[in-house]
Amino acid sequence: GNSVTQMEGPVTLSEEAFLTINCTYTATGYPSLFWYVQYPGEGLQLLLKATKADDKGSNKGFEATYRKETTSFHLEKGSVQVSDSAVYFCALVGYTGTASKLTFGTGTRLQVTL
Amino acid sequence: DAGITQSPRHKVTETGTPVTLRCHQTENHRYMYWYRQDPGHGLRLIHYSYGVKDTDKGEVSDGYSVSRSKTEDFLLTLESATSSQTSVYFCATSGGGNTEAFFGQGTRLTVV
Repeated sequence: GNSVTQMEGPVTLSEEAFLTINCTYTATGYPSLFWYVQYPGEGLQLLLKATKADDKGSNKGFEATYRKETTSFHLEKGSVQVSDSAVYFCALVGYTGTASKLTFGTGTRLQVTL
Repeated sequence: DAGITQSPRHKVTETGTPVTLRCHQTENHRYMYWYRQDPGHGLRLIHYSYGVKDTDKGEVSDGYSVSRSKTEDFLLTLESATSSQTSVYFCATSGGGNTEAFFGQGTRLTVV
């Protein structure tokens, strides 16, 4: 079956530091890949997505590139802010023609300090 | 954002009692999902639906049942609640294919 592996947290950074959260996946076919963010006490919000190989998703300064050759979708941001503190989930959706199922990684907590 | 409403938002119940959580959407999405979120496990799929009266099991379906009698509503029932079902439950919807999912705000369930 499909699976997503992402780096464990927490990741603690100072404000304005560079962020990388690693994500690799195993899937059959041609999944779409996503990063979701969850702020305390809230549901998950879509942060960015990529639907095919070499696509780059971007939003709010975050970027991730769909790398089929390395089955990776690493999240990056050049300069983090305190307001970026949240839990980040890598996910994929695999459509088999009869069912569309999402699979999530375990999440990575990011803490940004002043 | 997709209009997804979960109810109740918080519930405390006793071991052995049945509990039903409701998810309501206004987006006319075909797919609806129930996940549970626990520390160290991320989100795990309980059940999902790919149409009215069409449902299937996820990876942690034991002790749970679902029903979908109309497009907009997806109910999750804990047939006899246990302490291991204490969790935060999220509903999500999607249009299907390889599209993204949209999430509700979650229901925090405590079984005592």
